[in-house]
Amino acid sequence: DGGITQSPKYLFRKEGQNVTLSCEQNLNHDAMYWYRQDPGQGLRLIYYSQIVNDFQKGDIAEGYSVSREKKESFPLTVTSAQKNPTAFYLCASLRGGTDTQYFGPGTRLTVL
Amino acid sequence: GQNIDQPTEMTATEGAIVQINCTYQTSGFNGLFWYQQHAGEAPTFLSYNVLDGLEEKGRFSSFLSRSKGYSYLLLKELQMKDSASYLCAVRDGGATNKLIFGTGTLLAVQP
Repeated sequence: DGGITQSPKYLFRKEGQNVTLSCEQNLNHDAMYWYRQDPGQGLRLIYYSQIVNDFQKGDIAEGYSVSREKKESFPLTVTSAQKNPTAFYLCASLRGGTDTQYFGPGTRLTVL
Repeated sequence: GQNIDQPTEMTATEGAIVQINCTYQTSGFNGLFWYQQHAGEAPTFLSYNVLDGLEEKGRFSSFLSRSKGYSYLLLKELQMKDSASYLCAVRDGGATNKLIFGTGTLLAVQP
């Protein structure tokens, strides 16, 4: 089946630890995006990548890092520098020349 | 600045029609999207408008007026499964396909 997968669905970490969230797609999409969703707020863009080996900061990149070594994969690392990491993280992808971003199922990160 | 406004919550009755409004003020505009999001799940694409007018897709329709910075999502023949958050998002004018999201409208459909 084609689609976007994120793992795990729920993730718990201790404060001060780095954690990496996985996002994989087999849709052959060129662009990939990471968003964060908090209660009462809209989705906010963390990082995005339009091609392999290239990525740009979004609106709230501080405390996060990404890599795009393969077209299919766009992992997000939440570092200890992120002050409020507990949130629902959504990955999306988009095929070049089209308009619509499609979302993965999300990872809910809780930092204890 | 970038600003997208939509009502926080709405309630409607099963079988009825509901209209969810979205107004936007953004530095660029290259289309407006509506997504549906059930609690704890990913947003799913509903509609896309880039030109003024109404786009109809089954029970769902979306309208855009670029001169007024206004859109609405119309849901007909409401079903209980339509209870969800509805997200309005504007794509900025650059080549990055960046989306700016509103806070979402939580729709509760009652029997």
